[in-house]
Amino acid sequence: DVKVTQSSRYLVKRTGEKVFLECVQDMDHENMFWYRQDPGLGLRLIYFSYDVKMKEKGDIPEGYSVSREKKERFSLILESASTNQTSMYLCASSSYRARRVNYEQYFGPGTRLTVT
Amino acid sequence: AQKITQTQPGMFVQEKEAVTLDCTYDTSDQSYGLFWYKQPSSGEMIFLIYQGSYDEQNATEGRYSLNFQKARKSANLVISASQLGDSAMYFCAMRGFNFNKFYFGSGTKLNVKP
Repeated sequence: DVKVTQSSRYLVKRTGEKVFLECVQDMDHENMFWYRQDPGLGLRLIYFSYDVKMKEKGDIPEGYSVSREKKERFSLILESASTNQTSMYLCASSSYRARRVNYEQYFGPGTRLTVT
Repeated sequence: AQKITQTQPGMFVQEKEAVTLDCTYDTSDQSYGLFWYKQPSSGEMIFLIYQGSYDEQNATEGRYSLNFQKARKSANLVISASQLGDSAMYFCAMRGFNFNKFYFGSGTKLNVKP
């Protein structure tokens, strides 16, 4: 089974702190994604990566950066956390080489971040 | 532009009845995929069902079926014989030609009443 893990389920940080959210997948997937989920807005893509050291901006990259130094690990960084970044953050991965043709995304359990 | 629309923020259904969750999409891609995910209160996203744009038959997975109407650009999820464990958020999503990116709707919260 594909497993995507995230470093924390719940996180509380102060405004202005630098925050790292870590995501690890164990299926050798090329693609990894970071989303934030807010009520009424669904999931919005922050950044994604299709290879080590490669990244592309999603729909809402402002205030975030990412790092992918190893294939299995994709980190989301909030350089200076703000209260409007309080949200649920979901990591996902997928593969071009999927045996199923749908290239579905596999999700981690999510990190609920509160910035006070 | 790619867009997914779910117009039902919340729905109630009686246990053992069938329920349809609506999803419409907008894309100019000829090849695309449509997905439904379930998100229980615990937060994890569970893949339910997939429909490819060139699939002629509607997808089915156990109690889940996808009512795909390509001309109307709709991909409604039908859950038959609802169970209490079906209470969750349900998200419709689309993968376009650029299969790196998924587009998600705003979700429908389903409550199954005993």
